[in-house]
Amino acid sequence: QVQLQESGPGLVKPSETLSLTCAVSGYSISSGYYWGWIRQPPGKGLEWIATIHHSGSTYYNPSLKSRVTISVDTSKNQFSLKLSSVTAADTAVYYCARRQKGASDYWGQGTLVTVSS
Amino acid sequence: QSALTQPASVSGSPGQSITISCTGTSSDVGSYNFVSWYQQHPGKAPKLMIYEVNTRPSGISNRFSGSKSGNTASLTISGLQAEDEADYFCSAYTSSSTVLFGGGTKLTVL
Repeated sequence: QVQLQESGPGLVKPSETLSLTCAVSGYSISSGYYWGWIRQPPGKGLEWIATIHHSGSTYYNPSLKSRVTISVDTSKNQFSLKLSSVTAADTAVYYCARRQKGASDYWGQGTLVTVSS
Repeated sequence: QSALTQPASVSGSPGQSITISCTGTSSDVGSYNFVSWYQQHPGKAPKLMIYEVNTRPSGISNRFSGSKSGNTASLTISGLQAEDEADYFCSAYTSSSTVLFGGGTKLTVL
């Protein structure tokens, strides 16, 4: 059974960089598929952030591209997200997910990141 | 890129059928058959219900079905049950290799 688990600070100060990691178990990232990050501000809808292929190809939401970096570490079977220059608008539950056939089939439980001083 | 358009809310009685629409453009919904639907209960992660327009993942009830016509996709839930009450989001892969979500639809089972 594929499982994903997000980890990282729950509180980030404005203008700093948000860093999250998604640990994958039950499947080897190096074997294939795409892996991505999605966020959901409190009480609002889902927003796609970025996707990475196990080979390293990356895809970004144009509205966030200048601030986002997604990377993969196949040796640790995990992938990561960095979002720079955060503001209160970046406060959200951040989910990691596996993507195939244009859909996110396995999701992490999500982690709430609050941007506040 | 703009979010896909979904109705804010729909409702139905147990046993009835409801349909949720998801309208995009020729660059997303109308571009490929990579439309998916997610169910989200409060405080939980989204759950994939439909992918590739009309394919159900293993374990998803056949009461859930999807379709697409032009730039509009639809999710139909038949035989409504109390546990179907949740938020539903559509998503589409775009011609720019990005992903769009709809704003979400709150389903109330009366």
